[in-house]
Amino acid sequence: GEDVEQSLFLSVREGDSSVINCTYTDSSSTYLYWYKQEPGAGLQLLTYIFSNMDMKQDQRLTVLLNKKDKHLSLRIADTQTGDSAIYFCAESMATGRRALTFGSGTRLQVQP
Amino acid sequence: DVKVTQSSRYLVKRTGEKVFLECVQDMDHENMFWYRQDPGLGLRLIYFSYDVKMKEKGDIPEGYSVSREKKERFSLILESASTNQTSMYLCASTWGQIRNTIYFGEGSWLTVV
Repeated sequence: GEDVEQSLFLSVREGDSSVINCTYTDSSSTYLYWYKQEPGAGLQLLTYIFSNMDMKQDQRLTVLLNKKDKHLSLRIADTQTGDSAIYFCAESMATGRRALTFGSGTRLQVQP
Repeated sequence: DVKVTQSSRYLVKRTGEKVFLECVQDMDHENMFWYRQDPGLGLRLIYFSYDVKMKEKGDIPEGYSVSREKKERFSLILESASTNQTSMYLCASTWGQIRNTIYFGEGSWLTVV
């Protein structure tokens, strides 16, 4: 079955790095995603990684994928107060349901 | 600019009322989705549609139905609203393969009293 898990809360100081973790159970996942939700808004795609990659970097964002352990992480370098939001990881499968499965979301709080 | 519009941002309805949540996208996307978002539970898929008049159940379809008469519009219907359906509802759409970027609306906050 499909299950995506995240810790619910993370607090960091401005300027530090943030690492948000996610585990998933379906080994047939093809793409894994990170979405950001700011207060009162819908979800915005931050980045995604194909399952045959180990790492993807995009400016301050680094995504690491450990396929053996089914573990995905999002690192935000030099975290700013504007990064405060809920971050969702999500997975899609090559076959089967044509929809993403989302984790519970991690609320990132950045303290000045 | 890409747009998914949910017509109602905030609604308050009474128990037993029939509720319609409307979603319109202007990108000619064939796939549309309704999710429900609750604290600590993340997004849970209610229904999705991959073509006009086509629909598939998601993880929590009970108490909901959907309608897709036109490609751009996907409606979520609560036949008889209950208090446990108080939640944030998010509509989304994408084209082709599911790995393509999914665009979300801003959400509809529904309170059932």
